[in-house]
Amino acid sequence: QVQLQESGPGLVKPSETLSLTCTVSGGSIRSYYWSWIRQPPGRGLEYIGYIYYSGSTNYNPSLKSRVTISVDTSKNQFSLKLSSVTTADTAVYYCARAPASGAFDYWGQGTLVTVSS
Amino acid sequence: EIVLTQSPGTVSLSPGERATLSCRASQSVSSSYLAWYQQKPGQAPRLLIYGASSRAPGIPDRFSGSGSGTDFTLTISRLEPEDFAVYYCQQYDSSPLTFGGGTKVEIK
Repeated sequence: QVQLQESGPGLVKPSETLSLTCTVSGGSIRSYYWSWIRQPPGRGLEYIGYIYYSGSTNYNPSLKSRVTISVDTSKNQFSLKLSSVTTADTAVYYCARAPASGAFDYWGQGTLVTVSS
Repeated sequence: EIVLTQSPGTVSLSPGERATLSCRASQSVSSSYLAWYQQKPGQAPRLLIYGASSRAPGIPDRFSGSGSGTDFTLTISRLEPEDFAVYYCQQYDSSPLTFGGGTKVEIK
């Protein structure tokens, strides 16, 4: 059974960089698309971006200038960096898997990141 | 960007009743690359339907999806107590991937 687990700081200061890692277990990171999705408290879901195991990426234009997603196939991990954060970036951040041309079939449990001084 | 509009925002129903949730796209979603997710408080979304009408593994057959183009529907034939949750549609036809705003199915 594939499992995804987010990890990283739960508190980030304004203007700093948010960094999260998603560890994939129970399956290979190869041949799938790996995404980050966030959900502000009490609100809906927002797609941040994805990376293919080969390293190709796609980002939401609304966040593209601040987002970097990378992958480490040797560790079965992929990571998110979001720079210059503000309080508007406070959200639960999820990592998720999608097959090619597919929906998100596996999700991490989510991690709350609060942006506050 | 494809904007997905879900309606109603909230629906109040009793266990055993039928729920019909709508998802309308601002432009055609080709190849029916439309999914539905269920989310309960404090949990990650769970994939219910992909390809507009295919149930994900382990999803009960009381959940069904239909539609094409710009109009899609999720139907729950007979609500069970565990079905009261928020439901989101999502298109994976074009970038950026987008989600609808959600429909909350609450107990009447």
